[in-house]
Amino acid sequence: DAGVIQSPRHEVTEMGQEVTLRCKPISGHNSLFWYRQTMMRGLELLIYFNNNVPIDDSGMPEDRFSAKMPNASFSTLKIQPSEPRDSAVYFCASSLRLAGGELFFGEGSRLTVL
Amino acid sequence: AQTVTQSQPEMSVQEAETVTLSCTYDTSESDYYLFWYKQPPSRQMILVIRQEAYKQQNATENRFSVNFQKAAKSFSLKISDSQLGDAAMYFCAYRSPNTGNQFYFGTGTSLTVIP
Repeated sequence: DAGVIQSPRHEVTEMGQEVTLRCKPISGHNSLFWYRQTMMRGLELLIYFNNNVPIDDSGMPEDRFSAKMPNASFSTLKIQPSEPRDSAVYFCASSLRLAGGELFFGEGSRLTVL
Repeated sequence: AQTVTQSQPEMSVQEAETVTLSCTYDTSESDYYLFWYKQPPSRQMILVIRQEAYKQQNATENRFSVNFQKAAKSFSLKISDSQLGDAAMYFCAYRSPNTGNQFYFGTGTSLTVIP
């Protein structure tokens, strides 16, 4: 089975540009999570979805960040406009929404905003 | 919200020796799940081991085992016969069945294996 698929793996952009990160969860998984990882702040939960519905977006830093999950097999995380402090590795992860289900991570998207 | 604490930012171990990574958590729930994830330099997050809180028996996976102390809210990871490939960042995680099955992660412990 294919794992969680993220794209792009690397993105370099200039401040002010729009960035869209994409994620395809594992087929059959009904929970999807977006995390951001930096040296300073570690692994931060940005938002998560159950059955395509956003459950908790309190980790989204500000209005510049938005996430969507239009169907069970696709999610996007958008940053508009991007800023240098958004530079980080962004992970998408999915799991079955049942007690004890493990989290499966994608390989991450490394974003650099110049 | 539940909190997960890893008090050791960095640890080192001699190859073939044993090392224990600490993790404590704060919760009022009685039923939950605990995990250890490994993140090598490749940055891929990999599940190492999982523990159900209702099980008293400590989970083991080959050279990896846990010491789960429910009353103390402690969940340490023991790596036996350490290998160079064990060098990585290790994250402890808590999954709550009562808050939308959300995961809570610790800040990680960076493990160095000395040849």
